[in-house]
Amino acid sequence: KAGVTQTPRYLIKTRGQQVTLSCSPISGHRSVSWYQQTPGQGLQFLFEYFSETQRNKGNFPGRFSGRQFSNSRSEMNVSTLELGDSALYLCASSLEGVMAFGAGSRLTVL
Amino acid sequence: ILNVEQSPQSLHVQEGDSTNFTCSFPSSNFYALHWYRWETAKSPEALFVMTLNGDEKKKGRISATLNTKEGYSYLYIKGSQPEDSATYLCAFRGNKLVFGAGTILRVKS
Repeated sequence: KAGVTQTPRYLIKTRGQQVTLSCSPISGHRSVSWYQQTPGQGLQFLFEYFSETQRNKGNFPGRFSGRQFSNSRSEMNVSTLELGDSALYLCASSLEGVMAFGAGSRLTVL
Repeated sequence: ILNVEQSPQSLHVQEGDSTNFTCSFPSSNFYALHWYRWETAKSPEALFVMTLNGDEKKKGRISATLNTKEGYSYLYIKGSQPEDSATYLCAFRGNKLVFGAGTILRVKS
């Protein structure tokens, strides 16, 4: 059974640009959540989606958005990138409360 | 603001030592408590999902206990091995999942 797949794994952007990250959940998992990890910080919750609907949102500015498609794949978008957005972005899919994480997308903003 | 606290921040032990870490969380609006192991350059790996007060779970040399009334969970590792070196994360599930900052464990052979 394939795990959670995140693309791209690494990317470099400059301030002011926008970025889209993709997450393909484990087959059969309908819930997808996104987290940000910056140096010295724990995993910060961004959003959670279930059946194409956003169920929960963390305390991030409106520049951070996401969506989920009918096949449960999810994307998150960050517009007008700032230096502080440099982080590891992790996606997790879950079934009955047990979460499986992807390897993450490491974003560097210059 | 929900606070999930983990202690200690880091721990260095010798191979064969037993060790334990603490996760403190709000005692209200509790739904579940998750433990994860996160090795460098890998994805976080689920260890336990605990839902009931008094729950005890075991997976090999690793076990965890849960006290929802006082808001804490302990993770125990018996006879630590170098391969146990990782960051151990707990996460409180209320209406959303809130992670602690983690405990970094280094086991020296």
